[in-house]
Amino acid sequence: QVQLVESGGGVVQPGRSLRLSCAASGFIVSAYAMHWVRQAPGRGLEWVAVISYDGSNTYYADSVKGRFTISRDISKSTLFLQMNSLRPDDTAVYYCARDPYGSGTYYSAFDVWGQGTMVSVSS
Amino acid sequence: SSDLTQDPAVSVALGRTVRITCQGDSLRTYYASWYQQRPGQAPVLVIYGNNNRPSGIPDRFSGSNSGNTASLTITGAQAEDEADYYCKSRDSTGDLYVFGIGTKVTVL
Repeated sequence: QVQLVESGGGVVQPGRSLRLSCAASGFIVSAYAMHWVRQAPGRGLEWVAVISYDGSNTYYADSVKGRFTISRDISKSTLFLQMNSLRPDDTAVYYCARDPYGSGTYYSAFDVWGQGTMVSVSS
Repeated sequence: SSDLTQDPAVSVALGRTVRITCQGDSLRTYYASWYQQRPGQAPVLVIYGNNNRPSGIPDRFSGSNSGNTASLTITGAQAEDEADYYCKSRDSTGDLYVFGIGTKVTVL
């Protein structure tokens, strides 16, 4: 069945790096835009980054731009989020999500979500 | 502005109707989508585009758009509808995305 499974979360010190993975199954990753969304404890959802269906375009929220990098490995059906220079306010559950709509449309719909992986940034 | 404004909380009696609104300039151009999130669970898409429901979402959920406002309506609210509801759209550039702050729906 269609599924996303995140991994790679954990406790990390400020200034360090962490790489999250999102394993996709049941669909072809290269046919969809893929996103990362995070949720700090007790807070709302915050969009983090997107990679286009063909991998040619990536965009980031201002809060992570220059520190985080979204990428994918089509052969492994896996999405990644490389997080550098981590800060305490990056502490959150990180979700990956699938989006059938790309740029240039008036729609977006995150129709499949993973269960999330927790990242805690603390000294 | 790219912000999406939602009321923080609403309540509805069991079986009655509740409407949740989302306001933002980008909604004049881009459609909203709506997500239900129950405590401790991942979000679930309930409405996207012009009142489209994914497979498996009950038809008591509906959406509408007018000007800079998108709305999610639950007609005949059930106890299991108690959750946080987030609207989402693209920002004014179309390349970035933004969520509303979320509306906590309590079913009385």
